[in-house]
Amino acid sequence: GAGVSQSPSNKVTEKGKDVELRCDPISGHTALYWYRQSLGQGLEFLIYFQGNSAPDKSGLPSDRFSAERTGGSVSTLTIQRTQQEDSAVYLCASSPEAGNYAEQYFGPGTRLTVT
Amino acid sequence: DAKTTQPPSMDCAEGRAANLPCNHSTISGNEYVYWYRQIHSQGPQYIIHGLKNNETNEMASLIITEDRKSSTLILPHATLRDTAVYYCIVRAMNRDDKIIFGKGTRLHILP
Repeated sequence: GAGVSQSPSNKVTEKGKDVELRCDPISGHTALYWYRQSLGQGLEFLIYFQGNSAPDKSGLPSDRFSAERTGGSVSTLTIQRTQQEDSAVYLCASSPEAGNYAEQYFGPGTRLTVT
Repeated sequence: DAKTTQPPSMDCAEGRAANLPCNHSTISGNEYVYWYRQIHSQGPQYIIHGLKNNETNEMASLIITEDRKSSTLILPHATLRDTAVYYCIVRAMNRDDKIIFGKGTRLHILP
């Protein structure tokens, strides 16, 4: 079946511009996670959605970062006024239910480069 | 969260067993040990998890010490395709919370 998809796969933007990254989770998965991975670093948690509950935004690095999940499915991560330190691979994951980490499926990621 | 520590990098000869250690000395009784790996330019991939008994699947084996303060992921016959960063994390199953990944171990399989 179809896995987690993300778009675009690559995004180059100028410093100060806004960007939107999209994640399509596996159909029926109620939990959705955003992570980012900077060069040479491990995965950094950003935000987590579970069903209709308020999202856990504790990992967002600044108020320039926000995310939405519409209809419990597609999610969009928005970065406003991008900075060079925002350059990273942004990964989305989904799982059938919260905490079921054995079935957490990751997308291929979006490579963001801020020039 | 129980924190984990892993060596930053390891080498293993192709065809040999790769043994990746992980220390998790503050693990709680209800927390599982999970292993993921990330091959270059791909998303992380689930490998295996366990609570206290040793586990084996088609990808790897997981050996957890009796005191549960450390574990070892074993890739029995490493191939070049196993070159990746391997992440060890500890989490309570079905806990409504986030995952925190460390830097992992960069495993190099040598031809």
